[in-house]
Amino acid sequence: EAQVTQNPRYLITVTGKKLTVTCSQNMNHEYMSWYRQDPGLGLRQIYYSMNVEVTDKGDVPEGYKVSRKEKRNFPLILESPSPNQTSLYFCASRDGGAGNEQFFGPGTRLTVL
Amino acid sequence: KNEVEQSPQNLTAQEGEFITINCSYSVGISALHWLQQHPGGGIVSLFMLSSGKKKHGRLIATINIQEKHSSLHITASHPRDSAVYICAVSGSRLTFGEGTQLTVNP
Repeated sequence: EAQVTQNPRYLITVTGKKLTVTCSQNMNHEYMSWYRQDPGLGLRQIYYSMNVEVTDKGDVPEGYKVSRKEKRNFPLILESPSPNQTSLYFCASRDGGAGNEQFFGPGTRLTVL
Repeated sequence: KNEVEQSPQNLTAQEGEFITINCSYSVGISALHWLQQHPGGGIVSLFMLSSGKKKHGRLIATINIQEKHSSLHITASHPRDSAVYICAVSGSRLTFGEGTQLTVNP
């Protein structure tokens, strides 16, 4: 089954404790992206990757890192989480350009205390 | 002003009613997407369109490129249609509206 998976689905952590949210897709998509969703603000892009070893900042990259060492994986790293990073996070992938359908992961609900 | 505006923000309907959700955008686009987000949080793509009209079951999506406007219609609404509906436009990047919370009561 074609899908985007994320882990963990839920995470409660404390300020400053490094964490990684994994994302994997099995559709051989070149483009992958991370979004955060907050009430009243909608979905906002954090980082995106056009291909292996090619990443770039989205609209709200501060406090986040990503890597793309393999085509299927695109982990999101929070080196020193802060409470303002409490949010619902989505990974997504697509084949080709911005006009193509985007496939979303199930979401990761992160709470930083 | 947001690049993508949806209306209404919240919508409550009775089962069987015809529902319309609107999306206006202010940037040049290659495509417009309608997404559905259920209470569990997962997001699925309903439609992707660059012109005209598409239909899938009880859902119909239309777009008017000249007016920079799209509508999502749900005919014979059902409680299982209760969800957040999100409009997103593909320009240089994907830009999202804030979503419309739809509640359909039995």
